[in-house]
Amino acid sequence: DGGITQSPKYLFRKEGQNVTLSCEQNLNHDAMYWYRQDPGQGLRLIYYSQIVNDFQKGDIAEGYSVSREKKESFPLTVTSAQKNPTAFYLCASSLQVSNQPQHFGDGTRLSIL
Amino acid sequence: AQKITQTQPGMFVQEKEAVTLDCTYDTSDQSYGLFWYKQPSSGEMIFLIYQGSYDEQNATEGRYSLNFQKARKSANLVISASQLGDSAMYFCAMREARFYNQGGKLIFGQGTELSVKP
Repeated sequence: DGGITQSPKYLFRKEGQNVTLSCEQNLNHDAMYWYRQDPGQGLRLIYYSQIVNDFQKGDIAEGYSVSREKKESFPLTVTSAQKNPTAFYLCASSLQVSNQPQHFGDGTRLSIL
Repeated sequence: AQKITQTQPGMFVQEKEAVTLDCTYDTSDQSYGLFWYKQPSSGEMIFLIYQGSYDEQNATEGRYSLNFQKARKSANLVISASQLGDSAMYFCAMREARFYNQGGKLIFGQGTELSVKP
């Protein structure tokens, strides 16, 4: 079955530590996205990528970094510069057609130890 | 200013009844798309329905329909014959034409939590 796989499901970060969230898709989508969701809130865009080896900052990119070395993969690193990383992180992908929805993974819940 | 406004933080509906979830939006683009997603407690976002700004008919997908009133900038989701499994958060989102060539990002509302009572 085609879909988006995020791992791990739960992640704990120590002070001063960088952590990386994995996102893999087999939908053959060009565009991929990372969103952050805080309790009781909507989703906010962190980074997006329209093509391999290219990515753009979203609305809340500070303290995060990404890479897009393969079409299928778009990992997100939460750096120590992100002072409030506790949140639910969702990865999505889509065709680059205006009426096509974004398809989401199951999310990673990140907490501070 | 909020681009997407969902004014109902929480709603209750009796099983088998219909329910309407409100969504108003703000854009100066003539071309845009509106999406509704369902988020169960497990966290995944499930796409429900899409309405394009130039679509003349309201979108329907099974028990979901979209009451699109372009002049009022509203795109309300109607769920008919509610089921217990419909209990979840529901998010309205918009994709504006200005972002079609910039990854086509979605702007989300704050969500409405729907609880279906047996």
